[in-house]
Amino acid sequence: KAGVTQTPRYLIKTRGQQVTLSCSPISGHRSVSWYQQTPGQGLQFLFEYFSETQRNKGNFPGRFSGRQFSNSRSEMNVSTLELGDSALYLCASSLDANPNQPQHFGDGTRLSIL
Amino acid sequence: QKEVEQNSGPLSVPEGAIASLNCTYSDRVSQSFFWYRQYSGKSPELIMSIYSNGDKEDGRFTAQLNKASQYVSLLIRDSQPSDSATYLCAVPSSNTGKLIFGQGTTLQVKP
Repeated sequence: KAGVTQTPRYLIKTRGQQVTLSCSPISGHRSVSWYQQTPGQGLQFLFEYFSETQRNKGNFPGRFSGRQFSNSRSEMNVSTLELGDSALYLCASSLDANPNQPQHFGDGTRLSIL
Repeated sequence: QKEVEQNSGPLSVPEGAIASLNCTYSDRVSQSFFWYRQYSGKSPELIMSIYSNGDKEDGRFTAQLNKASQYVSLLIRDSQPSDSATYLCAVPSSNTGKLIFGQGTTLQVKP
């Protein structure tokens, strides 16, 4: 069974631009969560989607947004990019909205802001 | 108090030894506990899930859960240099349903 697929793997942007990252969950998984990982802050939760609805949101500014489609694929968007947005963005999928289901991560998108 | 706490390390063990990684959590009603391994530059990989008190073994890995003391540990037997990585403990919050990660423990296995 294919794992979680994230595209693109690497991205270079400049300040002020916007970016859209994509995540395709494991087949049959309907919950998708997004995380930001930086060396200093560790894994920070961004948001979680289930059945096209945002169930949880982390403490990030409104520049960070996401959505989920009917096929469970998800996208996240970051507008007005700042240098501090440089990070590894990880998507994880789980079977359903039960928090006791394990999450499985994709390879991530490494975003660099110049 | 952080919701999920781990010693950041590095924890250094010789090849062939047992590595013991610990994690404490604050949510008394948490029901599931996960260990992830993350190699440098890679994404986290789920290696163990544990749901009930006691031990769960999978190959060289053993997860131990003690709900009364609110800690979960990961033992790696016969440690290999390829086990060198950061190990993340994760616990779902019973309030929000979010998966809360510890900061991770870096393990170094020296040949």
